[in-house]
Amino acid sequence: AQTVTQSQPEMSVQEAETVTLSCTYDTSESDYYLFWYKQPPSRQMILVIRQEAYKQQNATENRFSVNFQKAAKSFSLKISDSQLGDAAMYFCAYRSFGGATNKLIFGTGTLLAVQP
Amino acid sequence: ETGVTQTPRHLVMGMTNKKSLKCEQHLGHNAMYWYKQSAKKPLELMFVYNFKEQTENNSVPSRFSPECPNSSHLFLHLHTLQPEDSALYLCASSQYLEGGNNEQFFGPGTRLTVL
Repeated sequence: AQTVTQSQPEMSVQEAETVTLSCTYDTSESDYYLFWYKQPPSRQMILVIRQEAYKQQNATENRFSVNFQKAAKSFSLKISDSQLGDAAMYFCAYRSFGGATNKLIFGTGTLLAVQP
Repeated sequence: ETGVTQTPRHLVMGMTNKKSLKCEQHLGHNAMYWYKQSAKKPLELMFVYNFKEQTENNSVPSRFSPECPNSSHLFLHLHTLQPEDSALYLCASSQYLEGGNNEQFFGPGTRLTVL
């Protein structure tokens, strides 16, 4: 069975600085998807970025980028030029490629605080 | 606004009560999901529906009873709950269940407290 581990329960960053959130996962599959979701205090979970395992290029969405290391089964999220609105719980998630349930496997989350 | 709404946003109920959580998606999606989010635990997938048919039940106790009358609405009926069932219940939807790009869109959740 696949598992996702986020070893940093809490992180803090100064506004305008860069922070990296860690995520590791375990799987025997060769094709899969990885995601970072953001859950602000309002609780609406939104997708931040996704990575297809068959793509070697790291995904980037504006100030958000990932460092995907397939061999190491590592998928970290880098937030550049941090803003107050980035403060939220961040969840790393895994989904098998194909499959019949579109099942997401989540980590326990990292609570990010942004200091002004 | 992600197009997925949930009511009520907060619910307090006793162990002998019967209540229902409602989820509605306005995105034209065909698959809907219930998740349970407890403090310091990963989100747990509870149920999956695809075109109104239940495709997954993750060993959820029978005191939780889902209902999907159409692709836009999903309910979670609750009865004789336990205090450990207190959690945030999230609903999500996606265009399809199988295949590649099936991003799940989440609702704001219902914060449930069982006394």
